[in-house]
Amino acid sequence: AQTVTQSQPEMSVQEAETVTLSCTYDTSESDYYLFWYKQPPSRQMILVIRQEAYKQQNATENRFSVNFQKAAKSFSLKISDSQLGDAAMYFCAYRSGLSNFGNEKLTFGTGTRLTIIP
Amino acid sequence: DAGVTQSPTHLIKTRGQQVTLRCSPISGHKSVSWYQQVLGQGPQFIFQYYEKEERGRGNFPDRFSARQFPNYSSELNVNALLLGDSALYLCASSANRDRSYNEQFFGPGTRLTVL
Repeated sequence: AQTVTQSQPEMSVQEAETVTLSCTYDTSESDYYLFWYKQPPSRQMILVIRQEAYKQQNATENRFSVNFQKAAKSFSLKISDSQLGDAAMYFCAYRSGLSNFGNEKLTFGTGTRLTIIP
Repeated sequence: DAGVTQSPTHLIKTRGQQVTLRCSPISGHKSVSWYQQVLGQGPQFIFQYYEKEERGRGNFPDRFSARQFPNYSSELNVNALLLGDSALYLCASSANRDRSYNEQFFGPGTRLTVL
């Protein structure tokens, strides 16, 4: 079974600074997807960024980028120019690339609460 | 277009009771997944349904059941409620058109409190 570990329960960063959230995972599969989701106090889970395991290039989405180290099974999220609206719980998640048609199970970590200091 | 909707928003039940939670996917989405998020934890996968068939089941007891209707909406049922069932229940939908990646879109969740 796959597992996802987030070892930082809480992180804080000054507004406009850069912060990195850590995630490690364990799997025996070679084909999979990794995700970072954001869950603000409104509770709605929002996809921040996605990485396909077969891609060597790290994914980027505006101020958000990842450092994907497949051999080390590490997947960190870097948020640049932090904004007050970035304050939320951040979850790392895994999905098998070998899922049967229709099976899209996500395995989540325990989350990191990010606080932005004005 | 409306996003994924869930009802009710909040629910309070007592131990031993039964509860039904409802989810309406994004228009055109045929796949619905359910997750349980206990306070302070990440979501745990419960079920996925596609075209009214169960396509995945997480490690939950038989007290948990679900179904998907012809309009692709879904219900999650939990019988004989326990205090430990108190959680945020999230529904997610995807287009699931083929074997490639299909983004899952989450609803706002139903907060269930069992007293």
